[in-house]
Formats: sequence, structure tokens, C-alpha cells
Amino acid sequence: DQQVKQNSPSLSVQEGRISILNCDYTNSMFDYFLWYKKYPAEGPTFLISISSIKDKNEDGRFTVFLNKSAKHLSLHIVPSQPGDSAVYFCAASDPGGDYKLSFGAGTTVTVRA
Amino acid sequence: KAGVTQTPRYLIKTRGQQVTLSCSPISGHRSVSWYQQTPGQGLQFLFEYFSETQRNKGNFPGRFSGRQFSNSRSEMNVSTLELGDSALYLCASSPGTGPYEQYFGPGTRLTVT
Repeated sequence: DQQVKQNSPSLSVQEGRISILNCDYTNSMFDYFLWYKKYPAEGPTFLISISSIKDKNEDGRFTVFLNKSAKHLSLHIVPSQPGDSAVYFCAASDPGGDYKLSFGAGTTVTVRA
Repeated sequence: KAGVTQTPRYLIKTRGQQVTLSCSPISGHRSVSWYQQTPGQGLQFLFEYFSETQRNKGNFPGRFSGRQFSNSRSEMNVSTLELGDSALYLCASSPGTGPYEQYFGPGTRLTVT
């Protein structure tokens, strides 16, 4: 049962524009959310996280928004750069499950020059 | 601090054989999680070890097993390999005592022929 869903398998965006990646979850017990970035043949790299007590967290060009009532979070990348071309995974942590992470299937972002 | 290391990086095995993969976590981290990544499937959780005990387990057959040593290093074993086991196997470490982000190794690419 997929508790974290990324419904867009791919996203193409022009360099300099905003990239918006979406993620939905079903488990209301999740209280910590993370985004990871992955290049081919490498392990995922942690990007940014947000606690359920917040609705926004910003780190440079990356901002994550959390809408608890809708069980939805999004990652905004502004401005998008060619080096942002990668697979992005959304993940959620369940405190009742010893903080086990559940991952979405990923969204492949391609930034066009 | 040194990052998460995994050995070997690449492996080719034949159906029916067994394989052992190794993961060394970041110093001080007590939790090691293992994931399988196949094209289009995202990160599928295999199991997590914390202080030498399996704390969480995913929905994989018993052919997949693991263990953790007193120095937190972990091994994953797959017996009676099948063609479908071909994947990138990732391990991730974290302190394990809260909703901390997990840090991934580069992965082991296993090919079963």
C-alpha cells in the first residue's frame, strides 16, 4: 500500500523558471517530511525537510510547503538550474513506526536551457 | 565525517546464487536501513536495523535477510537469486532516535543473469 504518492512521473521546466513538485500522503500519523534528490548511479541526497508543526520551510532556492488538512506537500525550486535535473523523492516519517521513512515513486525533473 | 559507504559497488551473479552486500554507516549513527530501487518503482523498503536488532521490515520474501554488527556496520544477504532481484540496493544511516533525515550510500548495482 503506497502511503506516499508522487503522481507526476516527470516534469520539464525551462532554466530560470519555477519547478513545482507535488506529493500526497495517506497516513495522518506522518509528522516529518523530507525531499531527496537523486542523480543516476548515486545514492539519494537529502535536500530539505519540514515538521508537521510548520507549513513552510525555506533553504536557498528550495522551499517546501505542507498542507496537513489536504495531506499534501510540494517542493518549489526557484530559479531552476540545469544541475537540478535529477529524480526527486518525497518521503514521510512515521513516529509510530520508529521513524521509518516511506518514499514516493519519484519525479524526474529535466531543466531545459 | 565520512559518509555512508557500500561495498561492492557493482556485482554480477547468476540465478540461484546468493550474495552479501555491506554497508558502513556514518560514525555515531545506530540505524541502518536498506532499500531496493528498480526502474519506475521508487525506493522499496527492505528492513531497518537499530542497535543490532531488526526494528522494521518491509514486504520482501525471506530470501532477503540482514544483520547489524556491534560497530553498526550492516550486511544484507539475498539467497537463491532471481532475475527480478536485479536492482540498485541502497543503504541509509541515521541516528535512529528521532525523525532525522537518513543519509544514503552510493548503492550496490546487482545484476542477476
